[in-house]
Amino acid sequence: DAKTTQPPSMDCAEGRAANLPCNHSTISGNEYVYWYRQIHSQGPQYIIHGLKNNETNEMASLIITEDRKSSTLILPHATLRDTAVYYCIVLNTGTASKLTFGTGTRLQVTL
Amino acid sequence: DADVTQTPRNRITKTGKRIMLECSQTKGHDRMYWYRQDPGLGLRLIYYSFDVKDINKGEISDGYSVSRQAQAKFSLSLESAIPNQTALYFCATGTGVGNEQFFGPGTRLTVL
Repeated sequence: DAKTTQPPSMDCAEGRAANLPCNHSTISGNEYVYWYRQIHSQGPQYIIHGLKNNETNEMASLIITEDRKSSTLILPHATLRDTAVYYCIVLNTGTASKLTFGTGTRLQVTL
Repeated sequence: DADVTQTPRNRITKTGKRIMLECSQTKGHDRMYWYRQDPGLGLRLIYYSFDVKDINKGEISDGYSVSRQAQAKFSLSLESAIPNQTALYFCATGTGVGNEQFFGPGTRLTVL
């Protein structure tokens, strides 16, 4: 599975959009991009995933570049409850669904 | 009620003791996983099971064993606990479809 690179930390003002980048330059054609988040030592929570098209759900939007070497998770209106560590994971769905968590991006949402 | 539960939530034990962490789920998923998380680090996979008769080692299985007693139950054992097994342990379930996994609340284990 391809490795990912994320900034260690980011800040965002409450009510603004939070844009979290992820680089995955070695991604292969059958690998998906997944995002999870972990709020203060709770169990990680699935957010969204995509292959090459942009995706949106009730939590967030996922923008994947045309070459698929990077992606951005967008929280459109960040709240204090979105403060968490966000993990970008690249995964071949044909494998054993083994999530490999890196160190993620710690997003701090402030007033 | 929570879909994925873990017991105990906190445990302090001594070096050399045998410890069992339990995970139960009501989601009806076939796949279950055990991860550990060390401070400041991401999660690492210990063991996973795709059904009752299927057990697979993850990236850090040494010093651990598991038992899949039923579709809904997956236990993690430390046969002889050591201090570097002090960590936060998470159980997760999944259907395999879409690879979305659902995590329990975690067990904080301290080995003195």
